Amino acid sequence: ETGVTQTPRHLVMGMTNKKSLKCEQHLGHNAMYWYKQSAKKPLELMFVYSLEERVENNSVPSRFSPECPNSSHLFLHLHTLQPEDSALYLCASSQVSQPTYEQYFGPGTRLTVT
Amino acid sequence: GQNIDQPTEMTATEGAIVQINCTYQTSGFNGLFWYQQHAGEAPTFLSYNVLDGLEEKGRFSSFLSRSKGYSYLLLKELQMKDSASYLCAVVDSNYQLIWGAGTKLIIKP
Repeated sequence: ETGVTQTPRHLVMGMTNKKSLKCEQHLGHNAMYWYKQSAKKPLELMFVYSLEERVENNSVPSRFSPECPNSSHLFLHLHTLQPEDSALYLCASSQVSQPTYEQYFGPGTRLTVT
Repeated sequence: GQNIDQPTEMTATEGAIVQINCTYQTSGFNGLFWYQQHAGEAPTFLSYNVLDGLEEKGRFSSFLSRSKGYSYLLLKELQMKDSASYLCAVVDSNYQLIWGAGTKLIIKP
């Protein structure tokens, strides 16, 4: 595997389900990000981890819970989601957490909440 | 508030040239990115401008004017594979990355 990978690519879940999104980067980077991408809207930064420590949480609802066990892996745990949470969830990594550094994105998980 | 403006959609012809504009109003400026995103795929880095002027990379060029709060991405010799969304993002004075909503570029034969 190369670059940034995400699983699953597609996920349909009910509002009472619990699921997790997984991201893995094979680039030796120190920072990882979760973004939400909704149609015709700007990317929304959800969480930033630098050296496995969370450095930013942009007021994301508690039904989204991130986990970064090491610098290569990032998870997003989901529970009791709402239909408006349906979106493309993108993971990204960069060499450091400074935003002036290029970010490498995964292909995303298309989430549908029913 | 902070704002990035890009056209929602543009159409161009294969072999032609297209310019995608991005204007920004942010609290300070520490650089501007352009990313390309094909439908259903990951955004990929195209360019980063921090100083005024034009930077060329093959068929793609990116221009920045900090005094005007303006950038454009110029695509030459358009190919069908250039059909994608193009995302503009600005790093503000607090080193926050502010994203535009993207411009969907449609290339016609």
